[in-house]
Amino acid sequence: GENVEQHPSTLSVQEGDSAVIKCTYSDSASNYFPWYKQELGKGPQLIIDIRSNVGEKKDQRIAVTLNKTAKHFSLHITETQPEDSAVYFCAAGRNSGGYQKVTFGTGTKLQVIP
Amino acid sequence: GAGVSQSPRYKVTKRGQDVALRCDPISGHVSLYWYRQALGQGPEFLTYFNYEAQQDKSGLPNDRFSAERPEGSISTLTIQRTEQRDSAMYRCASSLGPEKLFFGSGTQLSVL
Repeated sequence: GENVEQHPSTLSVQEGDSAVIKCTYSDSASNYFPWYKQELGKGPQLIIDIRSNVGEKKDQRIAVTLNKTAKHFSLHITETQPEDSAVYFCAAGRNSGGYQKVTFGTGTKLQVIP
Repeated sequence: GAGVSQSPRYKVTKRGQDVALRCDPISGHVSLYWYRQALGQGPEFLTYFNYEAQQDKSGLPNDRFSAERPEGSISTLTIQRTEQRDSAMYRCASSLGPEKLFFGSGTQLSVL
């Protein structure tokens, strides 16, 4: 099955700096890569996703990049703000009978220091 | 409703008891998923429903775990003869299509 590794497990940055979280996956058939943000006491919330036919996607201060050859994908947050503090999960998935069966990474706890 | 609703929010039970966890998905969402999330880990897939049909139960750990969604809306995850290793956060998610899951706040299960 799919195996997703995520690094680092914790990350502290100063407000205004950039944060980068990296993930690798093992299943070459994976074609969908979502990123979720989980705030304390809440469920994960989708913040951005990318498909395998796209190398990069940007949405305001967040961007994701995908290197299919190396099976790497990354989340970049620029101009970090205190409200970006949360646990971030990457995931990799593929079509399985008409739905996406995703495997999540172990999470990165991001702390933005004001 | 406005989001995915799960109940109870917390469940404490004794080893050997059965528990039923409820999920009320976003209205109109045909896809419903159950995940289990251990502390410090990402969500782990348990099972998937398309309307009332359980199309994938490959993530259910053993036959003590079962799930149903009889009318294609509310779903129940049942764990029989609970064991301490079943203690975790159980999350439900729903979606309109094959992507973009909306997660609920979860049920924290503690088996004593």
